[in-house]
Amino acid sequence: DAGITQSPRHKVTETGTPVTLRCHQTENHRYMYWYRQDPGHGLRLIHYSYGVKDTDKGEVSDGYSVSRSKTEDFLLTLESATSSQTSVYFCAIRRDGERENTEAFFGQGTRLTVV
Amino acid sequence: KNQVEQSPQSLIILEGKNCTLQCNYTVSPFSNLRWYKQDTGRGPVSLTIMTFSENTKSNGRYTATLDADTKQSSLHITASQLSDSASYICVVSGQAGTALIFGKGTTLSVSS
Repeated sequence: DAGITQSPRHKVTETGTPVTLRCHQTENHRYMYWYRQDPGHGLRLIHYSYGVKDTDKGEVSDGYSVSRSKTEDFLLTLESATSSQTSVYFCAIRRDGERENTEAFFGQGTRLTVV
Repeated sequence: KNQVEQSPQSLIILEGKNCTLQCNYTVSPFSNLRWYKQDTGRGPVSLTIMTFSENTKSNGRYTATLDADTKQSSLHITASQLSDSASYICVVSGQAGTALIFGKGTTLSVSS
């Protein structure tokens, strides 16, 4: 599992409430990513980080924010959850992110339901 | 627009049979192409990575091919097993530092 832990694994929350998902890695890699996976879509990038306090938006970043205050943790926050954010969220790390042909490893996923 | 298209969307085969999954992409510039296996309820796990100069790469019963000229890749599974039932995702990487572009996957069901 390349030392990736996502928490929580499952969460049900109400519309309008804030939600934070955590991705923790034990291998000190530079690049970390948050994706969402929905039926009929491939995994879509929400945000990514290329170092502590260095983050950038992906293709579906609206309604999400991220923070990376230390190398091992990458947090994804839904400021005010909506039903359209019901999804499975995956965190990924890329080893030696500066080189494009390096492996990417995924966490086990967080299933979020917004009711 | 950078896209990755996979076919078929789903496939059912009998245990012991072979099958081939297809991936076409329009990503440019191209850096590498990956095949991932995703079991239900779990994160994707890498099967192979191929760069521009590689035509074939094997991982056990899985063999991936790449034709960078036609921008096509295939994943061939030999002597399928029940444990091969999963979603197989083709992922293309553009230039260094850019995000991975995912296909929607092919769902393979192997029955006894």
